[in-house]
Amino acid sequence: QKEVEQDPGPLSVPEGAIVSLNCTYSNSAFQYFMWYRQYSRKGPELLMYTYSSGNKEDGRFTAQVDKSSKYISLFIRDSQPSDSATYLCATLFESGSARQLTFGSGTQLTVLP
Amino acid sequence: DAGITQSPRHKVTETGTPVTLRCHQTENHRYMYWYRQDPGHGLRLIHYSYGVKDTDKGEVSDGYSVSRSKTEDFLLTLESATSSQTSVYFCATAVGTNEKLFFGSGTQLSVL
Repeated sequence: QKEVEQDPGPLSVPEGAIVSLNCTYSNSAFQYFMWYRQYSRKGPELLMYTYSSGNKEDGRFTAQVDKSSKYISLFIRDSQPSDSATYLCATLFESGSARQLTFGSGTQLTVLP
Repeated sequence: DAGITQSPRHKVTETGTPVTLRCHQTENHRYMYWYRQDPGHGLRLIHYSYGVKDTDKGEVSDGYSVSRSKTEDFLLTLESATSSQTSVYFCATAVGTNEKLFFGSGTQLSVL
C-alpha cells in the first residue's frame, strides 16, 4: 500500500464547475500537507501548504485536511481552463534529523471552455 | 522557476553509458534535491543535498550518485544507464527544511 494514495483521473469538468481533488494517507505521523500544480512539460509548483486540520483558503482554492480520517482535499471554485494541469498532493513528516516527504501520483484535471 | 536551470532538457542515450544531469540555481538555497517522475509513481526522491559536499540518499538511490561542489550546482550521475532509468528528472531547491520546494523544468531522459 502506498503511503499517499491519489486517484489519477483523468478528471474533466466544464468551465465554472467546482472541482474536488482528494488524497488519503496512511501514516498518522505526517504533519504538513501540500498541494502542487504541474502544467504539462513543467516542474511542479507549490499551490497550498498547511499543517493543521481544517480549511485554508487562497482565492479560488481551498485546501482541507482531516487528520482523523487521514484525508486531504483541494477544492477549486469557478474553475478555469487555465486550471488544467496535474495536481499532486504531498505529505511531510519531520522529527529531529528524520524527514520524509511523500507525493501522491497526481490527478490530471482538464477544464473545458 | 526560482532561478533553477536543468541541463540538458532532453537526452537519449544507450544502455551502459554514463550520464550526468546538471542543476544550477541562482537563489542560494541551501537544500537541493533530485527527483524522478514516472507514471503511476509520482515523484520519488533520488538524492538530496543539505550543503556543499553534504549529500544523502533518497528512496530510489540505487544506480545514481550525486555531487555538490558549489552551492549553486547539484549534479546527478547515472554511472551505467539502464532502461529502467528512463524517466523525467526534476531538480528542486528549498530555503529550509519545511519542504516548500521550488522545481526546475525537468530533464527527459531516454535510455535505449
